[in-house]
Amino acid sequence: DIQMTQSPSSLSASVGDTVTITCQSSQNILRHVSWYQQRPGKAPRLLIYTATNLQIGVPSRFIGSGSETHFTLIISGLQREDSGTYYCLQSQHKPYPFGQGTRLEIK
Amino acid sequence: QVQLQESGPGLVKPLETLSLTCAVSGNSISDDNWWTWVRQAPGKGLEWIGEISHTGTANYNPSLKSRVIITMDKSANQFSLYLTSVTAADTAVYYCARDVEAGCVLDHWGQGILVTVSS
Repeated sequence: DIQMTQSPSSLSASVGDTVTITCQSSQNILRHVSWYQQRPGKAPRLLIYTATNLQIGVPSRFIGSGSETHFTLIISGLQREDSGTYYCLQSQHKPYPFGQGTRLEIK
Repeated sequence: QVQLQESGPGLVKPLETLSLTCAVSGNSISDDNWWTWVRQAPGKGLEWIGEISHTGTANYNPSLKSRVIITMDKSANQFSLYLTSVTAADTAVYYCARDVEAGCVLDHWGQGILVTVSS
């Protein structure tokens, strides 16, 4: 099975900052990665699909990049509502593992 | 507007079968999508359980494969999850979701339902 290693596990940043979250795949998964935001007590929300495509309605400060085994989610100009946990998900091969999650705290 | 809503018992006894249903509105489950179940144990990350296509083809996480079945009822526009022989480790919030790209791009989610396994 493909493993997704996500880092960091948590980070703290201020409004207006830029943060980067990474996911490393144990195998080449081309561009089959999506990113999700989960606020406490809520269902996950799709942000990015196929590594770089912004889901409709998601602010453009969310940027996805990467291919093959290395993927990043950049959030620029942090807003307070960006607080939550972020997950990557690979979809090249079943079963589809999520990353371990990155908890983002806005100071 | 696509909406998904999970329903089912919030409490299941050990070794019994967990049964959940996801009612879909705003999208026919007969359309060219896959329909997915994901769970999240308390304080933990997300785990993909399995999926079913509009044709009824199902795929499951091998870690659960011997215990899980996903079915669909096109007349009711809903799909269901059955997990047998549950233990406390199956206590989780269970989410249903729509996979819009047949490649686990989950663009619409239900609100989730907490299922506790306890006697």
